[in-house]
Amino acid sequence: DAGVTQSPTHLIKTRGQQVTLRCSPKSGHDTVSWYQQALGQGPQFIFQYYEEEERQRGNFPDRFSGHQFPNYSSELNVNALLLGDSALYLCASSLDRAQSLQYFGPGTRLTVL
Amino acid sequence: GESVGLHLPTLSVQEGDNSIINCAYSNSASDYFIWYKQESGKGPQFIIDIRSNMDKRQGQRVTVLLNKTVKHLSLQIAATQPGDSAVYFCAENRGAGSYQLTFGKGTKLSVIP
Repeated sequence: DAGVTQSPTHLIKTRGQQVTLRCSPKSGHDTVSWYQQALGQGPQFIFQYYEEEERQRGNFPDRFSGHQFPNYSSELNVNALLLGDSALYLCASSLDRAQSLQYFGPGTRLTVL
Repeated sequence: GESVGLHLPTLSVQEGDNSIINCAYSNSASDYFIWYKQESGKGPQFIIDIRSNMDKRQGQRVTVLLNKTVKHLSLQIAATQPGDSAVYFCAENRGAGSYQLTFGKGTKLSVIP
């Protein structure tokens, strides 16, 4: 049973560029959430996707956008990168029900120079 | 603002001893809590969860205690092993239709052989 997978593992970009990160959920899961984790901090919720729609959004600017595909996989896009966007980006998958346990992938380490 | 917080940022224990990691939360509407373990360079790994209608739950070598009166959560690890060394996060779901998890900064557990 495959867990949550993310690609790429590491990424280096320069300020102003755009980036796309990818996530495949755990088998059987239909909901994908994205989190940003700065060094030494806990993960911060960016948004959650269900049925190909953004269902809930955290306190992140609209430079952060996403997509969910019919096979439940998801992408996170960040435009106009800032130095402060350097972080570990985590994808978590879950089942669509209340109080649903979220399983995390290994993350993508993004460095913005 | 309201957030999940942790009493101790670091904890060192002798191998074989029991570990207790504490977490305070301030949102009385929170109804679901999860403990995650995060090793260096990896995504958070599920340890144990508890719903607000329970005050204790046990897993393999781990126990979570929930005290809703004082809004306090703890994770107890029995017979701590070197492989338990990691950062531990508690996360809360704030109920009322919220799908996101809110994390604290984490506690770093170091096991002394």
